[in-house]
Amino acid sequence: DAGVTQSPTHLIKTRGQHVTLRCSPISGHKSVSWYQQVLGQGPQFIFQYYEKEERGRGNFPDRFSARQFPNYSSELNVNALLLGDSALYLCASGPDGISGNTIYFGEGSWLTVV
Amino acid sequence: AQKVTQAQTEISVVEKEDVTLDCVYETRDTTYYLFWYKQPPSGELVFLIRRNSFDEQNEISGRYSWNFQKSTSSFNFTITASQVVDSAVYFCALSDMNYGGSQGNLIFGKGTKLSVKP
Repeated sequence: DAGVTQSPTHLIKTRGQHVTLRCSPISGHKSVSWYQQVLGQGPQFIFQYYEKEERGRGNFPDRFSARQFPNYSSELNVNALLLGDSALYLCASGPDGISGNTIYFGEGSWLTVV
Repeated sequence: AQKVTQAQTEISVVEKEDVTLDCVYETRDTTYYLFWYKQPPSGELVFLIRRNSFDEQNEISGRYSWNFQKSTSSFNFTITASQVVDSAVYFCALSDMNYGGSQGNLIFGKGTKLSVKP
């Protein structure tokens, strides 16, 4: 079975631009989470969606938004990109929205803002 | 506040040596979960283990073992007879109930980069 898939794998954007990152969860999983990992740091939680509803939001500005579709795939959108948004963006899926259950990560989207 | 500390930034060992990666956590919850993930250069976080706060039994899986001690708030990870393929960044993470039951809220440490040399 396919794991969590993310696209694109690498992209370069200019300051001020907008970016959309996409994620498909493991088949049968209904929860998707997004994390930002800056070089040399651990991943930081951005959003969680379950059954198309936002279940959690980390400490990120309103330039970051996300949504989940009826097929449980998800998009992360970042507006007005800053140099500091350069990072690896990881998507994770889980079977449900219950705290403490294991979530499984994709290979991420490497975003460089110049 | 919840926090995970991995004090070892980088560790370098020679193949076949044993190595222990330290993890110390902070939480006010009595119910919480601890995880270890491995991140190879490709970027994907690979799940290794999950433990809940009520199960303090140590666990062994092949060359991997985990030592959970609530008294010291530690969840250490040992690789026995390390191999070059074990080279990666290893993350310890905490999930507790303070986020209203949201599953996705893992709090990660900064990671320990393990280099195993032949």
